[in-house]
Amino acid sequence: GQNIDQPTEMTATEGAIVQINCTYQTSGFNGLFWYQQHAGEAPTFLSYNVLDGLEEKGRFSSFLSRSKGYSYLLLKELQMKDSASYLCAVLDSNYQLIWGAGTKLIIKP
Amino acid sequence: ETGVTQTPRHLVMGMTNKKSLKCEQHLGHNAMYWYKQSAKKPLELMFVYNFKEQTENNSVPSRFSPECPNSSHLFLHLHTLQPEDSALYLCASSQDLGPTGELFFGEGSRLTVL
Repeated sequence: GQNIDQPTEMTATEGAIVQINCTYQTSGFNGLFWYQQHAGEAPTFLSYNVLDGLEEKGRFSSFLSRSKGYSYLLLKELQMKDSASYLCAVLDSNYQLIWGAGTKLIIKP
Repeated sequence: ETGVTQTPRHLVMGMTNKKSLKCEQHLGHNAMYWYKQSAKKPLELMFVYNFKEQTENNSVPSRFSPECPNSSHLFLHLHTLQPEDSALYLCASSQDLGPTGELFFGEGSRLTVL
């Protein structure tokens, strides 16, 4: 079966750096997405990786290793507003999105 | 404002009630989706519409009935639901089917079935 694994919950300190990991086992691969979802709000797109390597976008970076079935989202200079759930999703060979259960990130002062 | 609007935001219904969820997108997208989001579980794709034609039904029970009158509007009709159907129902849209681009989500309708 297809599976996406990511930690259920993480805690980090304001101003610090945190890395949220995502491992996947899917039928084919056509890209990996990261979404952010604040409590009670819509998930919003953060990043899309289809090639190996690091994509940087401001304080957020996303890394992909297709050979390892692995990605991470790196958040730098953490702010209180970064407290949210982070969803990892993989587009499989049929262009179906396979979702992880999300990682709830708690930022402490 | 994400460009996708869902109403109502909250809904409480009994197991014998009939209600509907509404979704409207103002983005000119061609594909629309219904997802179910339960606590600590992955998003579950329920239905997919492309150019208002249903292209996918992920073995969803018949007590959930979708309707897509045009490319901008999507409904989810609910009847004789079960308590385990309590969840956040998210509507999303994308420019085209089989998104290689991003999905745009609404804020969801929080459903509680008593």
